[in-house]
Amino acid sequence: EVRLVQSGAEVKKAGQSLKISCKASGYRFTTYWIAWMRQMPGKGLEWMGIIYPSDSDTRYSPSFQGQVTFSADRSINTAYLQWSSLKASDTAIYYCARPETSRAFDIWGQGTVVTVSS
Amino acid sequence: QSVLTQPPSASETPGQRVTISCSGSSSNIGSYTVDWYQHLPGTAPKLLIYSNNQRPSGVPDRFSGSKSGTSASLAISGLQSEDEADYYCAAWDDNLNGPVFGGGTKVTVL
Repeated sequence: EVRLVQSGAEVKKAGQSLKISCKASGYRFTTYWIAWMRQMPGKGLEWMGIIYPSDSDTRYSPSFQGQVTFSADRSINTAYLQWSSLKASDTAIYYCARPETSRAFDIWGQGTVVTVSS
Repeated sequence: QSVLTQPPSASETPGQRVTISCSGSSSNIGSYTVDWYQHLPGTAPKLLIYSNNQRPSGVPDRFSGSKSGTSASLAISGLQSEDEADYYCAAWDDNLNGPVFGGGTKVTVL
C-alpha cells in the first residue's frame, strides 16, 4: 500500500526550531516529488513548495521562501519540513503529498498539527 | 484570499444533486486542468477528480467534474450523508509556478 505517514502533533513556543517528517512507503521514494501544504485555522490549503528526494532539488512558493526548509533522507524514505525560528502565525496543519504525472496529489499524509504560542 | 474562488458552503437533501463551482483566471484554470479534493477534518485530503473529469480508482461515479474556460465545477449526485466534507478545487498557476487552491466548499447533507 502506498502511504505517507507524518510525525505527530507539536506544541512549541515562538522562536523555537522544529522539524516535522513525512515517511513514504509502498513506492520508490526517489522517483516522485513530495509537496508540502499548509492549512491555517479555518482556512484553505496553500502550496508551500516541493522537493525531489532523488537529488533534493527544491522549489519554494514565494510566500514561504526563506521561511522554511525542505530536506529528504533517501536512506529512510523520509521528507522533512523545518523551521529555524517559529512564529505564532506558523500555527497550522501541515500536509505532505505526492503529485503524480498529472500534477494531481494522489497520496496525502494525515497531517501534522503545529501549535506555536507567543 | 484564495486564488481560486469557491462558494463557502452548499447543501442539499439526501439523494439530490449538488454542484460546486470554482472560478479562476487565464493563468490557472484557463490554461491547465483542474483537480478536486475531498477533505474530512482530521483526515488526509483525498483526490476525487483529476484532469478536469477523471476519477481515480475507487471513487464512485456519483462524483463528476467539468471545466469550461476559466471555471470548473464538481457535481455530486445521489448525495449521501458520508459526502459531508470540505471540497477543494486546484489547478497549476503560471504566476505561482505551482498549484493554487480554492478556499474550499463545505457540503452539508440536510
